[in-house]
Amino acid sequence: KNEVEQSPQNLTAQEGEFITINCSYSVGISALHWLQQHPGGGIVSLFMLSSGKKKHGRLIATINIQEKHSSLHITASHPRDSAVYICAVRTKYGNKLVFGAGTILRVKS
Amino acid sequence: NAGVMQNPRHLVRRRGQEARLRCSPMKGHSHVYWYRQLPEEGLKFMVYLQKENIIDESGMPKERFSAEFPKEGPSILRIQQVVRGDSAAYFCASSPPIGAMNTEAFFGQGTRLTVV
Repeated sequence: KNEVEQSPQNLTAQEGEFITINCSYSVGISALHWLQQHPGGGIVSLFMLSSGKKKHGRLIATINIQEKHSSLHITASHPRDSAVYICAVRTKYGNKLVFGAGTILRVKS
Repeated sequence: NAGVMQNPRHLVRRRGQEARLRCSPMKGHSHVYWYRQLPEEGLKFMVYLQKENIIDESGMPKERFSAEFPKEGPSILRIQQVVRGDSAAYFCASSPPIGAMNTEAFFGQGTRLTVV
């Protein structure tokens, strides 16, 4: 079993829809990151969370430390949101990131 | 303040050649991490370096791969005698020295290595 599990693997949405991507992890962490990767592109950090909730524009990220679960929400989705969204955790006893497999999001106009 | 710079962006090597991938961390960052993304797979940790020291190389293949981060200059990921299975995107990330445990993740654009 992977230490970081994401769902769904693939997600197709219509423009304007509310989108949720989930991440569960099984290790102790010091922080959780949500990352975005466009095809053939680099990796951009969207959020770093160690507790609670963060909001940036149409993006919201939450984390429940007790449940070992995080969600990334996109409100009023747009085709330019189409990308791979990756959940990554920084383990408690090391600095390296452990990644989920990613969620491929496609938003249709 | 330039971000994490990786070069080259694309690298093509024939089987048996050497590949050298470079990573210049953000200004003021002294920690560098290398990650590999194989086709159709997720990102995997390879190695974590501080200036002149390898801190964690638990993700590095046992043979042909090496990494360094000298006192001056970029971090180098070196792959000797490349094989087709080394074709992947290699990403570098950097972080500052203080409070490195809980810092944002700053990634480079990656180097796409193709072995022909």
